[in-house]
Amino acid sequence: NAGVTQTPKFQVLKTGQSMTLQCAQDMNHEYMSWYRQDPGMGLRLIHYSVGAGITDQGEVPNGYNVSRSTTEDFPLRLLSAAPSQTSVYFCASSYTPTSGLNEQFFGPGTRLTVL
Amino acid sequence: DQQVKQNSPSLSVQEGRISILNCDYTNSMFDYFLWYKKYPAEGPTFLISISSIKDKNEDGRFTVFLNKSAKHLSLHIVPSQPGDSAVYFCAAGRGLPNDMRFGAGTRLTVKP
Repeated sequence: NAGVTQTPKFQVLKTGQSMTLQCAQDMNHEYMSWYRQDPGMGLRLIHYSVGAGITDQGEVPNGYNVSRSTTEDFPLRLLSAAPSQTSVYFCASSYTPTSGLNEQFFGPGTRLTVL
Repeated sequence: DQQVKQNSPSLSVQEGRISILNCDYTNSMFDYFLWYKKYPAEGPTFLISISSIKDKNEDGRFTVFLNKSAKHLSLHIVPSQPGDSAVYFCAAGRGLPNDMRFGAGTRLTVKP
């Protein structure tokens, strides 16, 4: 049971480049989410999904796209990278989308630098 | 707007003593509260949670206290161990997990 996996661990992009951050979970969780963590700030929700085929925006969605074609995978796409997107990105999953009291399982993170 | 605030960026305690981490929130509608722990180069891991209908929840060495009138949450670790050294995030929300807001974190150092 690998839990939540993320690739790559590190990435450097130039302004304007696009890329996809991969996230997968093997726990058959319905709810998946993407967060970014910036210095001096808490984790902020980018996008989330309550099940395959269903996605929605979180607190800071601009510049990012997501899709959820399977229960296991939830990739995050940066359409045209900007220096403001330099951050650490975490993917998380939870068994059910119906209660925030349930713990979320986080991946190890992707550290992204945009030059 | 920061709806969840952890005003102490860092805390240092001696091994065996109590660690108290504090968290304040502004939204009185929040009905769930969680604490996560994060080691360097790893993702956050769930520690303990409490719903708004309770004022205390215990799990081993960890106890979370909720004071709704003061909009204040605290995490007590007794006794503190060097392995507890990590960044602790407070989180709160209403209803669904996508409503959750995180504090900026408190770095706890437990000295042997």
